[in-house]
Amino acid sequence: GAVVSQHPSRVICKSGTSVKIECRSLDFQATTMFWYRQFPKQSLMLMATSNEGSKATYEQGVEKDKFLINHASLTLSTLTVTSAHPEDSSFYICSATRQGASLQETQYFGPGTRLLVL
Amino acid sequence: AQSVTQLDSHVSVSEGTPVLLRCNYSSSYSPSLFWYVQHPNKGLQLLLKYTSAATLVKGINGFEAEFKKSETSFHLTKPSAHMSDAAEYFCVVSDQGTYKYIFGTGTRLKVLA
Repeated sequence: GAVVSQHPSRVICKSGTSVKIECRSLDFQATTMFWYRQFPKQSLMLMATSNEGSKATYEQGVEKDKFLINHASLTLSTLTVTSAHPEDSSFYICSATRQGASLQETQYFGPGTRLLVL
Repeated sequence: AQSVTQLDSHVSVSEGTPVLLRCNYSSSYSPSLFWYVQHPNKGLQLLLKYTSAATLVKGINGFEAEFKKSETSFHLTKPSAHMSDAAEYFCVVSDQGTYKYIFGTGTRLKVLA
């Protein structure tokens, strides 16, 4: 159990276009979803925290108008990179936690989405 | 404020020999600690977690970690390395309340044939 999927796994787009990445919890309802960005050979950087039905909370330095997050249901969160530029190229990873106080401590990660902006 | 320090950025071991990946934490309260593994271009897989129960935690694929409060450590070990263990390993502490993860910088494990 506790499987998280992401779609697409890889996307190439032209500079100036927008890209949407989906994150789904397949076999559980997710209280909270997190979005991370990972640069090559580096650790994960938290971008934002997303709770179903409410606005996402962005980390300091992350542009909320650039990285739009929607968490419309307990199993789906989306990250839209708007007007993408080459510097937005990265590996984007989402994670989700299960409902329930003691269960929220553990995050289950998706396989990631590789974005390349040309 | 909480933090984790992974003491080695790279570790190389021979296949069949023990693995030790070191992690020290800093926390003002009893922390929740995790080890995750990331294979190339993949998401993170949970190896094991410590949440104030038994101090010796057994995880998947033969890995285990021991929580030592006196040393503020949570080192990851495996008795015998396998080629498939070659990956990036992250030590993580969970922030109480927000459940945000604070990641270590990662340790790249190389397994030599």
